[in-house]
Amino acid sequence: DGGITQSPKYLFRKEGQNVTLSCEQNLNHDAMYWYRQDPGQGLRLIYYSQIVNDFQKGDIAEGYSVSREKKESFPLTVTSAQKNPTAFYLCASTKGTGGQPQHFGDGTRLSIL
Amino acid sequence: AQSVTQLDSQVPVFEEAPVELRCNYSSSVSVYLFWYVQYPNQGLQLLLKYLSGSTLVKGINGFEAEFNKSQTSFHLRKPSVHISDTAEYFCAVSAFIQAGTALIFGKGTTLSVSS
Repeated sequence: DGGITQSPKYLFRKEGQNVTLSCEQNLNHDAMYWYRQDPGQGLRLIYYSQIVNDFQKGDIAEGYSVSREKKESFPLTVTSAQKNPTAFYLCASTKGTGGQPQHFGDGTRLSIL
Repeated sequence: AQSVTQLDSQVPVFEEAPVELRCNYSSSVSVYLFWYVQYPNQGLQLLLKYLSGSTLVKGINGFEAEFNKSQTSFHLRKPSVHISDTAEYFCAVSAFIQAGTALIFGKGTTLSVSS
């Protein structure tokens, strides 16, 4: 079955360390997204990519970086510049624009050691 | 700019009772609206969507929602809830942003069903 795979499920970051969250999809979707979820805050957009080798900042991009070298993959790096990285991170994808619903992975929970 | 307001952060109900989760949106253009459900430590699952046509939209697990353009609302309803419906529910609107579209989410409503 097609879907979105996020790994790892749990991740711990040490002070000053960069960590990378993986997101892979086999749905042949063009657009991919990263959201951050904090309790009571809903989902906030970090980065998104509509096509390979192109991506844009969302509402809370500071302290994060991404790449889109392949259609199937959209890894997110949480850099040491992100001072409050503890959150649940969700990756999503969609086929086109407008009315197409987004499909979500099962998330990665990042915590500080 | 488009925005979504979920009017209740928590909704406690008893099993087999009806429930309504309220969502208002703000948009100056035609909208696409969605409801998602999230179970603990999982991703979001699509419940239903409104793109156009009939204002009453039926989704999975017995849920339905009604699009009301004049009141800019998209409330989610279920006539009889089960314990297994306990989860967080998110309303979202599709927004045009630089180089594409994205979903704008409300802050979520936690539905707690007890026996």
